[in-house]
Formats: sequence, structure tokens, C-alpha cells
Amino acid sequence: ETGVTQSPTHLIKTRGQQVTLRCSSQSGHNTVSWYQQALGQGPQFIFQYYREEENGRGNFPPRFSGLQFPNYSSELNVNALELDDSALYLCASSFGTSGSGEQFFGPGTRLTVL
Amino acid sequence: AQKVTQAQTEISVVEKEDVTLDCVYETRDTTYYLFWYKQPPSGELVFLIRRNSFDEQNEISGRYSWNFQKSTSSFNFTITASQVVDSAVYFCALSEAPATSGGYNKLIFGAGTRLAVHP
Repeated sequence: ETGVTQSPTHLIKTRGQQVTLRCSSQSGHNTVSWYQQALGQGPQFIFQYYREEENGRGNFPPRFSGLQFPNYSSELNVNALELDDSALYLCASSFGTSGSGEQFFGPGTRLTVL
Repeated sequence: AQKVTQAQTEISVVEKEDVTLDCVYETRDTTYYLFWYKQPPSGELVFLIRRNSFDEQNEISGRYSWNFQKSTSSFNFTITASQVVDSAVYFCALSEAPATSGGYNKLIFGAGTRLAVHP
């Protein structure tokens, strides 16, 4: 069983640029959630994709957008990068949208915005 | 509003000591789920346990045990006979039923407790 994978591992961008982060969900999972974890803080929910549709969103501006593909892999896109976007971005996959379902996390992508 | 509080920012113990990590949550829902995750230096969040709001039985898994008390809205985590490999940041998280959250399941995390176990 393949776990959740994310790419790239690290990324350095400058303010104003755009970035795309990628996530492959665990085999058998159809739901992908994205979280932003600033240094020294707990992860914050960005949004969730279920069956290729965004079905929930946290308190993040529209310049954070995403996609989910037919194979349930997902992308997180961030436009007009700001310094505060520097963080660890975590992808989590699960089956369905039940609150009881455990979410399996990938290793994360560390984004640095200069 | 939903909230998870982990008041202990950092804990330092010597190997073989027992240590308890505190977690207090807030929710108005009657159906909810509580989780503990471990985050080693590699960054990946590792699932440890899930508890639903209707099951207040304590749970023990090897050196790990969890104490869930709805009366005090707490879900504390104890490591017995700690080991250096237990050094990590531990997160407590809350998830509500999709009917309450709007059809999706998001995890609400506390700020985490950094545990350092010294030889």
C-alpha cells in the first residue's frame, strides 16, 4: 500500500510569484485535504477535495486554489505569494468525508517566500 | 466555535520518566472526534489514536494511554517510561460530524506540545 506522497520537498520562491504543490493520495482514498503549518504552530485547514470537487474551505483567500484529478491526486496553487505564505504545506488523504475518518498525511512541502 | 488548546508548549523529561500531554477542546456539537498525531523532525504527521464523543473509555496501547473526559472536555495523552524516540511534537485535533461542519471533515489542531526526552 503506497502512502501519501508530496512534491517537491522544498521550494524557494520570491514574493509575487506563483507556486504549485502536488500530492498523491493513498491507494483507495478519494478525499484530499490541504493544511498550512507555519513555524511553531499547528496545521491550519486550507480546503478539502472530494471526488474532484472542493467541498470545504478554511479561512484562506481565493489566491489559494486547488484541483483534484480523476486518480484523486491533487494540486495546491498559490498565486501572488506573500512572505507570510512561508510554511510547511501538508496534504492528507482519507476515504469519504466522515468526521471519524482518520486522515493520513504526507511528508509535506516546505515553501520559503523571499 | 471549535477550538483545541494544548497549554504545554514544551516538556523536557529524562528517559524512563512518565509524561502526560494535556489537551482541552471546545465544541458545541454532540458528535465529534478527537485525535492525537505525532510529528517527528521529518515533518510528517503520524496518526496515533481516534476517539469519538460517545466512547469515554480510556485506551492503552503499549506505552501510550489516553484519558478522555467529556465532563472537563479533555483528552490527555500519557507516555509511560518515555524513550528518546518519543521526542517529537504532539498535536491534539478535533473533527466534527460533516452535518455540522458543512459536509466536509476538517481537523482543528492545537498548537502542539514539543516533547524532548533526554538519555
